[in-house]
Amino acid sequence: DTEVTQTPKHLVMGMTNKKSLKCEQHMGHRAMYWYKQKAKKPPELMFVYSYEKLSINESVPSRFSPECPNSSLLNLHLHALQPEDSALYLCASSQVAEGETQYFGPGTRLLVL
Amino acid sequence: SQQGEEDPQALSIQEGENATMNCSYKTSINNLQWYRQNSGRGLVHLILIRSNEREKHSGRLRVTLDTSKKSSSLLITASRAADTASYFCATYPPTGANSKLTFGKGITLSVRP
Repeated sequence: DTEVTQTPKHLVMGMTNKKSLKCEQHMGHRAMYWYKQKAKKPPELMFVYSYEKLSINESVPSRFSPECPNSSLLNLHLHALQPEDSALYLCASSQVAEGETQYFGPGTRLLVL
Repeated sequence: SQQGEEDPQALSIQEGENATMNCSYKTSINNLQWYRQNSGRGLVHLILIRSNEREKHSGRLRVTLDTSKKSSSLLITASRAADTASYFCATYPPTGANSKLTFGKGITLSVRP
């Protein structure tokens, strides 16, 4: 199984809502990533988990809260988002967090109203 | 900050023609990777080339790396309409704490049937 799955595919939320994005992989990868991508821009790294521990936080606002419950799952909890947070949120995984090939999920398209 | 810079930013070719995309970067790397992204979807890994390699092939793809010029090229031979996508180069620095994959701005390739 070489697939990274993400749910939901689309999400519309108000600025006072709390929601979560989910990501799952069953490739035995020990590194997982969250990226944010705006239209016609490259992906921007948000967080890296390595062996279920947060290893990189790219100064992301606290309204985004990542969680790695186990080696296969990665969540991104969203609270009090702003309209400018609307974007495609991509999850990826790799064998280890040392420059290896990253496998991306299809993304969650988020719209904040 | 972006490490890779692709050139051209947009490319339009006829089906069957070859497409060449270039990537330049600024600092030393451990490896350089090329990814493809179809509109609004997740990224798909194409090729990873390490700093001690000069050329790699995968099917219709050929990637070269010139570390003295800090540049890489991606050649797609006998292009197909299905190759229409955005292409990103991404660089990974020599291994160190908090090393991360950094994406260029991307190239939009349109292959006309």
